[in-house]
Amino acid sequence: ETGVTQSPTHLIKTRGQQVTLRCSSQSGHNTVSWYQQALGQGPQFIFQYYREEENGRGNFPPRFSGLQFPNYSSELNVNALELDDSALYLCASSTQQAKNIQYFGAGTRLSVL
Amino acid sequence: GQSLEQPSEVTAVEGAIVQINCTYQTSGFYGLSWYQQHDGGAPTFLSYNGLDGLEETGRFSSFLSRSDSYGYLLLQELQMKDSASYFCAVQDSNYQLIWGAGTKLIIKP
Repeated sequence: ETGVTQSPTHLIKTRGQQVTLRCSSQSGHNTVSWYQQALGQGPQFIFQYYREEENGRGNFPPRFSGLQFPNYSSELNVNALELDDSALYLCASSTQQAKNIQYFGAGTRLSVL
Repeated sequence: GQSLEQPSEVTAVEGAIVQINCTYQTSGFYGLSWYQQHDGGAPTFLSYNGLDGLEETGRFSSFLSRSDSYGYLLLQELQMKDSASYFCAVQDSNYQLIWGAGTKLIIKP
């Protein structure tokens, strides 16, 4: 157990809808990263939050947005869902000093129909 | 562009030793990490190399050569529970983790 929790575990949405995924980071970790992992692929970096500010972003469109709260928990919001958004969404927490060492939650499996 | 190359699949026998290689091309380099992911599970941190050389953690070791943009993960005394996907990941100049596509390790009894 890493101490990182994500909710919900599974979600089914239809194309065009919006979704919010949630993540609680491990105690003492102030940095949260979000990843999208398609089946059989490595995680793709979406963005990272530190001190409630976006601190780096991967190659994802603006309809992917996020928030970090004062308690370091975080949300990932995806608007105008597309079929290709179907994937496992992973949240990872770390300290700012050791961002190489990330602790992952179990993920949210999103299916877009 | 940025890329990490690792074999898609490796097969080994229980009790043996296996090496998983990773070559990288990234904008900046701030360390090579290795993660393990079982089917249906989340990635789990295994090892990190910030400097050249070998890091050992129990049955797992990881090696880095920055001049060759190359590293490997060495798994010894393989156990059936080691069957999983293994990912190398590089922290780039933006301090983001860039991941390889993963190596599926199949262990036969």
